[in-house]
Formats: sequence, structure tokens, C-alpha cells
Amino acid sequence: GQSLEQPSEVTAVEGAIVQINCTYQTSGFYGLSWYQQHDGGAPTFLSYNALDGLEETGRFSSFLSRSDSYGYLLLQELQMKDSASYFCAVRDVSSGSARQLTFGSGTQLTVLP
Amino acid sequence: DAGVTQSPTHLIKTRGQQVTLRCSPKSGHDTVSWYQQALGQGPQFIFQYYEEEERQRGNFPDRFSGHQFPNYSSELNVNALLLGDSALYLCASSSDRGRETQYFGPGTRLLVL
Repeated sequence: GQSLEQPSEVTAVEGAIVQINCTYQTSGFYGLSWYQQHDGGAPTFLSYNALDGLEETGRFSSFLSRSDSYGYLLLQELQMKDSASYFCAVRDVSSGSARQLTFGSGTQLTVLP
Repeated sequence: DAGVTQSPTHLIKTRGQQVTLRCSPKSGHDTVSWYQQALGQGPQFIFQYYEEEERQRGNFPDRFSGHQFPNYSSELNVNALLLGDSALYLCASSSDRGRETQYFGPGTRLLVL
């Protein structure tokens, strides 16, 4: 089976940089995704890493190390609106063509003024 | 472009009852996945529909069933409701030939009393 670990809570101040780590155990790994979910809202896609390295999209970056089964989401220039839950999710070979995602339990990010 | 829509937004049922939740995928998407999200947890994969057939199923009992219609919309049915079925039910759509991104709807919050 698959398992993912990420911190349950992270707190930072506006303008700061925060890193949310994710370690995973899975077989036949395909890729690591990150989703953001505001309270009462739908998860929204942030990034996807299939290969080692850093992917940058505006203020958000995501990193993957396949050899370490580890990834992180980096949020820069934090804004109050970034307060939300962040989930890492993996797809592995058992999902086949379905591209089934297995999600972590989520990290609640609180941005303070 | 209307994104993923789900109905109803909220639902209250009692134990033993049956419920049907509905989902319309994002325009151009042909694949619908259903997830259950308990409070404070990440979404858990229930099943995925493609070409009107269940393509992959997660670790959920047969009380959970679904359907996909020719217009790609989908229904999730849950029979013999249990208190533990109380959760946010999320529908996600994607294109089978598209990228890894799954687009989530706002969800249906089900409360079983």
C-alpha cells in the first residue's frame, strides 16, 4: 500500500517563506502532486512533479527527490489568503490508467499578520 | 467554462437510508473520480468512471456504487448509510488523454444521523 507523511500544522507570518515536507512510501511511483484546500472549498491543483528537481509556478515551488521518497512545497511571499490546508498526493503503478491519487492527511497552514 | 459541479451541496440522512450524489465534469473531461473526505483528513479514493464503466475502485464496501452517463456526468450511490459515512464527498474530473491534473468540485457534505 501507500503512505504519506506531512506535518499537521505550520504557522508563518505574512511575507515569509514556508516549506511543507512530504515523505511517501509507495511502489512503482509515478509522481507527486500538491493540492490546496480552503475551509469548505474544493481542493485545487498546485503542482505536479514526476522527475527529480524543482518546479516553479509563481510564488509556489515544488521539489521532488525520488531516491529519498521526499518532496516539498515552498510558498514564498506569504499572503493571508494562503491560509489553507495543503495536501501532497501520489500516484503509483497500482492506479494504472485510472491515475488514482492517494492523499496525505494535509498540513494546515496559518498565515499571521 | 463551468468547472466541476456537484449537487446537492448539503444533505442530512438517517442511518439505513440511501443517498444519491451527482456530479457534472468540467467541459472536455471524460473521466470522473469520487473521493470521500472525513473531517481533518485527506480525500480517500472511492472509484473512477470512464466510458460509463468503473475503471478502478478503492477500499470501499459494495454499499458504495456509481454510474456514469453518456454525457460523462456521474452519480455516487450509498446504501444502508452508517454514521461513519458522514463526510464531504468530492467529485474530480480529468481527461483520460490529458495531464495529471484533477479538477475537484465543491463537494457534497453528507451528515448521517
